[in-house]
Amino acid sequence: AQSVAQPEDQVNVAEGNPLTVKCTYSVSGNPYLFWYVQYPNRGLQFLLKYITGDNLVKGSYGFEAEFNKSQTSFHLKKPSALVSDSALYFCAVRDPRGSQGNLIFGKGTKLSVKP
Amino acid sequence: NAGVTQTPKFRVLKTGQSMTLLCAQDMNHEYMYWYRQDPGMGLRLIHYSVGEGTTAKGEVPDGYNVSRLKKQNFLLGLESAAPSQTSVYFCASSYGQGATEAFFGQGTRLTVV
Repeated sequence: AQSVAQPEDQVNVAEGNPLTVKCTYSVSGNPYLFWYVQYPNRGLQFLLKYITGDNLVKGSYGFEAEFNKSQTSFHLKKPSALVSDSALYFCAVRDPRGSQGNLIFGKGTKLSVKP
Repeated sequence: NAGVTQTPKFRVLKTGQSMTLLCAQDMNHEYMYWYRQDPGMGLRLIHYSVGEGTTAKGEVPDGYNVSRLKKQNFLLGLESAAPSQTSVYFCASSYGQGATEAFFGQGTRLTVV
């Protein structure tokens, strides 16, 4: 069965420091991987995705993610965190062989960036 | 460009009441989804549709029904609301099942008392 794990419920970072939000997945074959961000009382906003090719993917707001096939991971990163990055982050996977097309989400990681 | 619009944004229901949540998208997307978001559980798929006139069950379909009579609209119905259906509901749409990302509405916060 397809699944996504975000092992940390919360990540705390000081402003200006690098941040990493972890994600591992369990999907056979070569999945499509996504990161979304949710600000309070808002819907989910797309950040970036991995389809194929370069393992380092760059996205919105200075975020990037590193795909590691051997570790089945897709960690979200940012070199220098901002207080405004504080939000709930979701990793998601889509099985390219599936007919539903739906995204399977992790449980989310709350990122807190302190001044 | 409105994207995905959900109505209403908030609602309080009494146990046993019924209601319909409306989702409208203006991106000509084929695929539409309804998710529910609960604390510590991420987003779980309720029902989905791969095109006008089609619907299918997701991970947690019990207690819900859906209809997709028009391509741009996807309705989620609760026939007899229960407190366990207190949640935040999100509609999403996507162009297809490939590498395209899904676009989400702002959510509907439903409380069943």
